[in-house]
Amino acid sequence: DIQMTQSPSSLSASVGDRVTITCRASQSISSYLNWYQQKPGKAPKLLIYAASSLQSGVPSRFSGSGSGTDFTLTISSLQPEDFATYYCQQSYSTLPSFGQGTKLEIK
Amino acid sequence: QVQLQESGPGLVKPSQTLSLTCTVSGGSISSGGYYWSWIRQHPGKGLEWIGYIYYSGSTYYNPSLKSRVTISVDTSKNQFSLKLSSVTAADTAVYYCARGIAAAANTRFDPWGQGTLVTVSS
Repeated sequence: DIQMTQSPSSLSASVGDRVTITCRASQSISSYLNWYQQKPGKAPKLLIYAASSLQSGVPSRFSGSGSGTDFTLTISSLQPEDFATYYCQQSYSTLPSFGQGTKLEIK
Repeated sequence: QVQLQESGPGLVKPSQTLSLTCTVSGGSISSGGYYWSWIRQHPGKGLEWIGYIYYSGSTYYNPSLKSRVTISVDTSKNQFSLKLSSVTAADTAVYYCARGIAAAANTRFDPWGQGTLVTVSS
């Protein structure tokens, strides 16, 4: 099984800040990496797919990068609606797996 | 646009079978290229992929749950279903259905249903 590890597990930031969340795979997963945003009581929402492709309708302040084992999700200028939990997900193996999540909180 | 909606009992007794249905609207479940998926989230925890089914009936399950899981599809009703047998309290979770999009070997999940909380308790 491929293990996905996100860091940090939680993060406090202010509106307007630039934020980076990291996801590391236990083995190379090429670019088979997706990012989701989840708000309390809601389903996850796809933000980024294939490591760096922006899902339609997602604001351009979200971006993704990386390949192999190390990936990042960057929010260029935090907005109030961005405070949520973020998950990475790999689809390299036939067993898709998710990171443990990064909770982004207001400072 | 495609929308998914889970339905089923919110309370299941230990040792019984959990049964959920996902109704797909705004698109056909028979469209190729999609893997109709079940994913769960234990309270306050992360996401666990349960399995998915192709419209043809081919299934793929999480090995950790494989002995207890059955996913089926009813193309005439535009629905797919999850059955999880011999449940315990550890199966208490929010269950989501989602559309898996397979493109260039990368499978992403979009959209998701709103989720339904299933509690296992006597």
